[in-house]
Amino acid sequence: QKEVEQNSGPLSVPEGAIASLNCTYSDRVSQSFFWYRQYSGKSPELIMSIYSNGDKEDGRFTAQLNKASQYVSLLIRDSQPSDSATYLCAVNRDSDSWGKLQFGAGTQVVVTP
Amino acid sequence: EPEVTQTPSHQVTQMGQEVILRCVPISNHLYFYWYRQILGQKVEFLVSFYNNEISEKSEIFDDQFSVERPDGSNFTLKIRSTKLEDSAMYFCASNVGTDEKLFFGSGTQLSVL
Repeated sequence: QKEVEQNSGPLSVPEGAIASLNCTYSDRVSQSFFWYRQYSGKSPELIMSIYSNGDKEDGRFTAQLNKASQYVSLLIRDSQPSDSATYLCAVNRDSDSWGKLQFGAGTQVVVTP
Repeated sequence: EPEVTQTPSHQVTQMGQEVILRCVPISNHLYFYWYRQILGQKVEFLVSFYNNEISEKSEIFDDQFSVERPDGSNFTLKIRSTKLEDSAMYFCASNVGTDEKLFFGSGTQLSVL
């Protein structure tokens, strides 16, 4: 059974601090990795994608990928109360099927003023 | 920004009844998907649809489920005889196919009583 694992949280982060989220995946052939944000009762919203080992930065978000360790992480800098949400790690193993994603259960982030 | 539209937002049905969930994907998108999320659980892939046929489906997508694109705009998910365990949020999604960004609709909350 191929799995995507995340700590469920909640991860409590003071406003202005860095939130660090982790995700591990079991399928070595996974090729594409995504972080989605999901507010309670809402649909997932893509915030970052990463395909190669290393770091990728987009505004206050940085994704890190280590395929050898089967590990992907997300850093949120200068955390804001509006960042309070559940962050879903998602993995795709087939670049011919971009939309078929395997999701983790999500990490709940709570940013406290 | 264009969006995926889902109707209804809430659907209550009796066990054993048929339900049809409707989606209007973004107009220039070619790939369509259904995902579901049982309360408190992971977002799960159900099915992908391209060129008027199913391209992939998960183990969840058994004979009780079917999808259809009856015209040029709508994409539907039919559950033939609903069970209690079908209660979930159902998300429709679409993408261009050559781009990793998956656009999710706002979801239909299905409650089977």
